[in-house]
Amino acid sequence: DTAVSQTPKYLVTQMGNDKSIKCEQNLGHDTMYWYKQDSKKFLKIMFSYNNKELIINETVPNRFSPKSPDKAHLNLHINSLELGDSAVYFCASSQDLSGEDTQYFGPGTRLTVL
Amino acid sequence: RKEVEQDPGPFNVPEGATVAFNCTYSNSASQSFFWYRQDCRKEPKLLMSVYSSGNEDGRFTAQLNRASQYISLLIRDSKLSDSATYLCVVNSGNTGKLIFGQGTTLQVKP
Repeated sequence: DTAVSQTPKYLVTQMGNDKSIKCEQNLGHDTMYWYKQDSKKFLKIMFSYNNKELIINETVPNRFSPKSPDKAHLNLHINSLELGDSAVYFCASSQDLSGEDTQYFGPGTRLTVL
Repeated sequence: RKEVEQDPGPFNVPEGATVAFNCTYSNSASQSFFWYRQDCRKEPKLLMSVYSSGNEDGRFTAQLNRASQYISLLIRDSKLSDSATYLCVVNSGNTGKLIFGQGTTLQVKP
């Protein structure tokens, strides 16, 4: 009965490759997010979607393309991976856009680019 | 200046100690404030919301001072299981965007 799930949990790949991370929430929430946590542990928002509509795009390189086929899913595709993309990527969801509700995070995807 | 600033620590305290973490934020228009907890190699989880009047949840007390743009978290009677990183989080506007501080690491020792 995992609330927010992500796959894969670990991803090791070569520079220049393209990879995808999938996220699903079963909480019935309207809003989903992608965050990046770098080696210094800063957690920064990348994207948010509300009912499949893009709300936040935080000056992320256009090699990163989120896709929301329905409001329960938010996937992240990354083209031409670079060393600096190595990080932990967290998906999260919340009831709505108000920012007053709890955000529930997935377990994270640890991406290592060699 | 970072939008949300915390002392990264680490704070090393004995079991039973009282420890306090502080956080400052730069956007005076921020409306919602939280403390999240993140265990090593795990996802962040909400610990508690922070209200202007201050709020308490068991051994945890959170305070907000809007005039000084300052948030605090007090943990009383520390347990070994309190060892984690505590993230100060501020909501920015009505897009659900959360700004996370770097986190303060707490290590409670027997």
